Amino acid sequence: EVQLVQSGAEVKKPGESLKISCEASGYSFITYWIGWVRQMPGKGLEWMGIIYPGDSDTRYSPSFKGQVTISADKSFNIAFLQWSSLKASDTAMYYCARLQSSGNFYQPFDYWGQGTLVTVSS
Amino acid sequence: EIVLTQSPGTLSLSPGGRATLSCRASQSVSQLAWYQHKLGQAPRLLIYGASSRATGIPDRFSGSGSGTDFTLTISRLEPEDFAVYYCQQYGSSPRTFGQGTKVEIK
Repeated sequence: EVQLVQSGAEVKKPGESLKISCEASGYSFITYWIGWVRQMPGKGLEWMGIIYPGDSDTRYSPSFKGQVTISADKSFNIAFLQWSSLKASDTAMYYCARLQSSGNFYQPFDYWGQGTLVTVSS
Repeated sequence: EIVLTQSPGTLSLSPGGRATLSCRASQSVSQLAWYQHKLGQAPRLLIYGASSRATGIPDRFSGSGSGTDFTLTISRLEPEDFAVYYCQQYGSSPRTFGQGTKVEIK
């Protein structure tokens, strides 16, 4: 059974760094793209970016390029989303999700994590 | 960037009713998906390739359309179908979502 289990909720101050995780199981981690989706409070879903754990090829939406870093540790089947300096506007729920098919990255997300709530407040 | 506009914003219907959700793109889309999102849960893939149901999705959910106009139809609403629905285009970069349609109990 495919499962994506995300790390727990975080409360941080502006300017702090943060790395959240998504542990994958039940499939070949290195052969499927995995990505991140943001949902700000009361808002819709936003596609942030994806990574191919097999070779760490990473693609970002222009809105998020330079704002976050997506990485993966294929030894432990974990994907990460990190910030070097958080802002209040980073407050949101973040979901990890797997692309539906191995191969090309023009795919929908078929399996999703439960979400990690990140709150940034002074 | 392809902008997806969903309508209506909210749909108020009774269980057993038929829901018709629209997703209109600012330019032609090659690949479109629909997701269901309930409060406190992860989104769920319903439809991909505009009209193919994802694994385990009941046949009361159907998708249609091409080019710039797409539709998600729920033929007979079950209590568990009341949720927010998003369309997403994944055929070009950046991938984008619509703003969502909330299907609520009338």
